[in-house]
Amino acid sequence: GIQVEQSPPDLILQEGANSTLRCNFSDSVNNLQWFHQNPWGQLINLFYIPSGTKQNGRLSATTVATERYSLLYISSSQTTDSGVYFCASGNSGNTPLVFGKGTRLSVIA
Amino acid sequence: GAGVSQTPSNKVTEKGKYVELRCDPISGHTALYWYRQSLGQGPEFLIYFQGTGAADDSGLPNDRFFAVRPEGSVSTLKIQRTERGDSAVYLCASSGDTRGAQYFGPGTRLTVL
Repeated sequence: GIQVEQSPPDLILQEGANSTLRCNFSDSVNNLQWFHQNPWGQLINLFYIPSGTKQNGRLSATTVATERYSLLYISSSQTTDSGVYFCASGNSGNTPLVFGKGTRLSVIA
Repeated sequence: GAGVSQTPSNKVTEKGKYVELRCDPISGHTALYWYRQSLGQGPEFLIYFQGTGAADDSGLPNDRFFAVRPEGSVSTLKIQRTERGDSAVYLCASSGDTRGAQYFGPGTRLTVL
């Protein structure tokens, strides 16, 4: 089955800094999503991005499906960006997602 | 509109007891998923419904776990003869289009003593 690896496992940033989180996946996927799990445990869907590039405010994501990786960019980080960022992939739409172990981000003021 | 809701938010039970966890998906979403998350790990798939039927239950760990979605909306995850190893956060997600973007509820934290 699909395997998802995320790096780095932990990241500490000064407020205002930029960062790039990486997700590698083992098989061809038609469903790639990024989530943010806040300190209270709520998972928020950030991007549905099986290919290409999308931007939403200070966040953007790029998936290169042919090379089996996706990147999440966080610019001008804020303390509210802290939490765990998960990448998850699936074979197609409306199939179960396989999650990576996440990147734990701490943004300090 | 309202997001995915789950009840209870916390459940403490004793080993060997039976528990039911409820998920109310976003209105109109036909796909519903159950995942389980242990401390420090990503969510792990349990079961997926498309409408009323279980389209994929390959993630259920054993036959003590069962889930239903009788009217294609609310789903209940049922765990019989709970074990301490069942302690985790149980997450529900729903999806409303063919792309499969999933939206998660707040989870139920299950503790088996």
